[in-house]
Amino acid sequence: DAKTTQPTSMDCAEGRAANLPCNHSTISGNEYVYWYRQIHSQGPQYIIHGLKNNETNEMASLIITEDRKSSTLILPHATLRDTAVYYCIVRGVNSGGYQKVTFGTGTKLQVIP
Amino acid sequence: NAGVTQTPKFQVLKTGQSMTLQCAQDMNHEYMSWYRQDPGMGLRLIHYSVGAGITDQGEVPNGYNVSRSTTEDFPLRLLSAAPSQTSVYFCASSYSRRTGGNTEAFFGQGTRLTVV
Repeated sequence: DAKTTQPTSMDCAEGRAANLPCNHSTISGNEYVYWYRQIHSQGPQYIIHGLKNNETNEMASLIITEDRKSSTLILPHATLRDTAVYYCIVRGVNSGGYQKVTFGTGTKLQVIP
Repeated sequence: NAGVTQTPKFQVLKTGQSMTLQCAQDMNHEYMSWYRQDPGMGLRLIHYSVGAGITDQGEVPNGYNVSRSTTEDFPLRLLSAAPSQTSVYFCASSYSRRTGGNTEAFFGQGTRLTVV
């Protein structure tokens, strides 16, 4: 599996855009980039995913560089409820052709009033 | 639609005891997995399954067994509990197995296990 590197923590002012970076320099051509978040000690929640193109949904935008070696998750107007640990994940496939999802340590985003 | 259901939510075990953490999903997902999360750390994959009758090891499989007799259920068994297995356990499921992934994973709310 391609490994990901994220900053340990970030702060963002409420109402401002939160930009969370992720490096995945060993990503292979058929691997997707996924983002999840975990609020307090709840189960992780899916946010967005992408392969090559930028993606946007009601929660966030995902910007993937042209070489696909890094990406940025953008929360356009951060609120206090967005305080969470954000995980950037690359979905890998084992030798049998099956997927497995591995998590790193993520970025703890603190939204400040 | 219940999604992914884990039971129990909390459990205290004595060292050496065995128990089974239950996970069930009602979305007809092929792919199910178990993670553990220790304080201040991310999730680590224990075991996963790509369909009934098929399981494989993740990053930290030692001390755990799994089976997948039905699509809906994926129990995790602790054979002889140890204090090092004190953790929060999450079960997850998703639809696709071979398509390389454009499907999200749904997570349960976790089982908080303490081994004394």
